Amino acid sequence: QKEVEQNSGPLSVPEGAIASLNCTYSDRVSQSFFWYRQYSGKSPELIMSIYSNGDKEDGRFTAQLNKASQYVSLLIRDSQPSDSATYLCAVEASNYQLIWGAGTKLIIKP
Amino acid sequence: GAVVSQHPSRVICKSGTSVKIECRSLDFQATTMFWYRQFPKQSLMLMATSNEGSKATYEQGVEKDKFLINHASLTLSTLTVTSAHPEDSSFYICSARGVGATEAFFGQGTRLTVV
Repeated sequence: QKEVEQNSGPLSVPEGAIASLNCTYSDRVSQSFFWYRQYSGKSPELIMSIYSNGDKEDGRFTAQLNKASQYVSLLIRDSQPSDSATYLCAVEASNYQLIWGAGTKLIIKP
Repeated sequence: GAVVSQHPSRVICKSGTSVKIECRSLDFQATTMFWYRQFPKQSLMLMATSNEGSKATYEQGVEKDKFLINHASLTLSTLTVTSAHPEDSSFYICSARGVGATEAFFGQGTRLTVV
């Protein structure tokens, strides 16, 4: 059974601080990893994709991948109240299907 | 990014009736479409995967005769919930992926309420 694990939270972070979200996965052959943001009542929105070990930065967001440890993380710098949402980690399996984590609820406190 | 349009965004129907949800890729050809269901405070649950021109592949526990999926063209897939019951009330979301694409794009989702 392929699994993706996330801490459900909520994770509370002060405005302006760095939010760190973590995800582990079980399938060693996975090659594609995604972070989605989902606001309540809305569909997921792709924030970051990462395919190779190391860091990938896009604006205030940095995704980190460590395939040896089967670990993916998302860092959000200078957290804003608008970043408050549920963050879903997804790992690509066969036929482009995504295996989803349960999501981490992030709360940015002004 | 590419645009996926899903309609309707909200629908209320009576128990026993059928509801059709449309998912369109507006600026790319979607060779693969995915249909998800999401209950409150839960993650997305994949219902089925459909490739254009082929029958959909349903996940275990999803009734193919109840959730009819049609992917007749490269820009349109539909999900029909037949003989809907209150327990089918949920948030249904489609996503679409094009040839050679590295990611799938999501529709806006459909909130179905069966009364």
